[in-house]
Amino acid sequence: GENVEQHPSTLSVQEGDSAVIKCTYSDSASNYFPWYKQELGKRPQLIIDIRSNVGEKKDQRIAVTLNKTAKHFSLHITETQPEDSAVYFCAASRRAAGNKLTFGGGTRVLVKP
Amino acid sequence: DTGVSQNPRHKITKRGQNVTFRCDPISEHNRLYWYRQTLGQGPEFLTYFQNEAQLEKSRLLSDRFSAERPKGSFSTLEIQRTEQGDSAMYLCASTLTGEAGELFFGEGSRLTVL
Repeated sequence: GENVEQHPSTLSVQEGDSAVIKCTYSDSASNYFPWYKQELGKRPQLIIDIRSNVGEKKDQRIAVTLNKTAKHFSLHITETQPEDSAVYFCAASRRAAGNKLTFGGGTRVLVKP
Repeated sequence: DTGVSQNPRHKITKRGQNVTFRCDPISEHNRLYWYRQTLGQGPEFLTYFQNEAQLEKSRLLSDRFSAERPKGSFSTLEIQRTEQGDSAMYLCASTLTGEAGELFFGEGSRLTVL
């Protein structure tokens, strides 16, 4: 089955700086790669996603890049703000596997004011 | 429709007792997933349904765990003879069949086994 590795496990940045989280996946058939943000005690919520036919996607301060050959994808947050502090999870899925998501281990991001 | 709803939100039980969690998905969603999340870890897949059919179960789902979705709407997850290792957040998510896309998660049911 699919295996998703995520790094780093914790990330501390100064407000206004950029944050980068990296993930690798094992199943070359995976074709959907979402990123979820989870605040303490809350549900995971989708912040951005990318499909395998696209190399990069941007939404305001958040961007995701995908390298299918290397089987890795990354989340970039620019101009970080204190409200960006949370745990971020990458995931991968494919239609033939029931669209179930396989998650990485998470990155705890702390934005220091 | 306000999203995926899970009940109870918190459950404290003694080892050996049975517990049941309920998930009400977004009404038009025919796929429903159960995940388990322990502190500091990513959600781990347990099982999923398409309508009332349970299509896949993870190896994590021991024979003490059973899930149902009898009418293709709400789902229940029962844990029999709970163990301390079952303590976790149980998350439910739903989506529509089709191309891989967003799973909408509920707030979860937190289980503490004493």
